[in-house]
Amino acid sequence: EAQVTQNPRYLITVTGKKLTVTCSQNMNHEYMSWYRQDPGLGLRQIYYSMNVEVTDKGDVPEGYKVSRKEKRNFPLILESPSPNQTSLYFCASSPSPIGGYTFGSGTRLTVV
Amino acid sequence: GEDVEQSLFLSVREGDSSVINCTYTDSSSTYLYWYKQEPGAGLQLLTYIFSNMDMKQDQRLTVLLNKKDKHLSLRIADTQTGDSAIYFCAEIPSQTGANNLFFGTGTRLTVIP
Repeated sequence: EAQVTQNPRYLITVTGKKLTVTCSQNMNHEYMSWYRQDPGLGLRQIYYSMNVEVTDKGDVPEGYKVSRKEKRNFPLILESPSPNQTSLYFCASSPSPIGGYTFGSGTRLTVV
Repeated sequence: GEDVEQSLFLSVREGDSSVINCTYTDSSSTYLYWYKQEPGAGLQLLTYIFSNMDMKQDQRLTVLLNKKDKHLSLRIADTQTGDSAIYFCAEIPSQTGANNLFFGTGTRLTVIP
């Protein structure tokens, strides 16, 4: 089944403890993105990648890092999480820059 | 800057038509999208429309595009309880690069049996 898989689905962590949210897609898509969803704000792009080793900032990149060492994987790294990064995170992939994205099921992160 | 605007809530009775409206920001946006988010799930692409079209129909879904007013709408005919979800419109503004989908805040559709 064609899908985007994120792990974990739920995570509670403490301020300052580094964490990684993994994202993997099995559709051989070149384009991948990370979004965060907050009430009343819709979805905002954090980072995106156009191919292996090609990444760029989205609208809200502060406090996040990404890497794209393989085409299928696009992990999101929070080096020192803070409570304002409590949010619902989505990874998404697309075969082209104008194609619609396929989204993962989301990761609900709580930073205390 | 400008935001992609949507009403937050819409309630309709089962069997009626639903119309979800969106005002987007960039008259040069090439593609405009509608996504559906069911509770506890990710976003699912419902449909999209290319900017040289005024209307697109796909089974129960009709998308209307008014480029002059930067207005996009999604009509769901014969709305069912399974259509209850949050609906997001999204655009790729021409000045931001093709990878950045700008989403509206979402419209929560509640279908009353």
